[in-house]
Amino acid sequence: EVQLVESGGGLVQAGGALRLSCAASGFTFGNYWMIWVRQAPGKGLEWVANIKQDGSERYYVDSVRGRFTISRDNAKNSLYLQMNSLRAEDTAVYYCTRGGYSVWGQGTLVTVSS
Amino acid sequence: DIVMTQSPDSLAVSLGERATINCKSSQSVLYSSNNKNYLAWYQQKPGQPPKLLIYWASTRDSGVPDRFSGSGSGTDFTLTVSGLQAEDVAVYYCQQYYNTPHTFGQGTKLEIK
Repeated sequence: EVQLVESGGGLVQAGGALRLSCAASGFTFGNYWMIWVRQAPGKGLEWVANIKQDGSERYYVDSVRGRFTISRDNAKNSLYLQMNSLRAEDTAVYYCTRGGYSVWGQGTLVTVSS
Repeated sequence: DIVMTQSPDSLAVSLGERATINCKSSQSVLYSSNNKNYLAWYQQKPGQPPKLLIYWASTRDSGVPDRFSGSGSGTDFTLTVSGLQAEDVAVYYCQQYYNTPHTFGQGTKLEIK
């Protein structure tokens, strides 16, 4: 079964850091771009970042560039999002999704307290 | 960044009737070299991740009922739900994947009248 499972969310103070993980199974992880998308409580979807199959290209939305870093470990079938200098407006459910957007995890909630 | 604007923000339709949701991009998402529109539609129900319905503006993803259809090109797109069923109540999003960031519309809430 094709599956993505996020972990690492939680409550953190503003200015703090958190590292999200996404474990992939059921498909050849290294063949796909991978993406992080977030959704603030009661709000719409916001694309956050993506990373190429070999990690050689990474793109970010302006609001997180310089604070967040997307990375991957193809040997571990895992995607990561290192989030530094967190702000209240980063509070959201963070989803990982596979290139093509046909496979999504259930999400992990990040809450940043001010 | 490409701005995606959906209309309406919410919509109430009777069971069995047709629902139409519009999406407009601030610049064309049609890639001339392959004549494909880099536009997708998603359905999201409460407490669930988004579900891909349509990609390339009009291609249904595997397993998506044929009452869902997408149309349009360039900057103007439409998602049509024909013969609305109770399980279609959800928020629907369009998304462009022509340029990063792959921006989403603000969402359209579809309800039963």
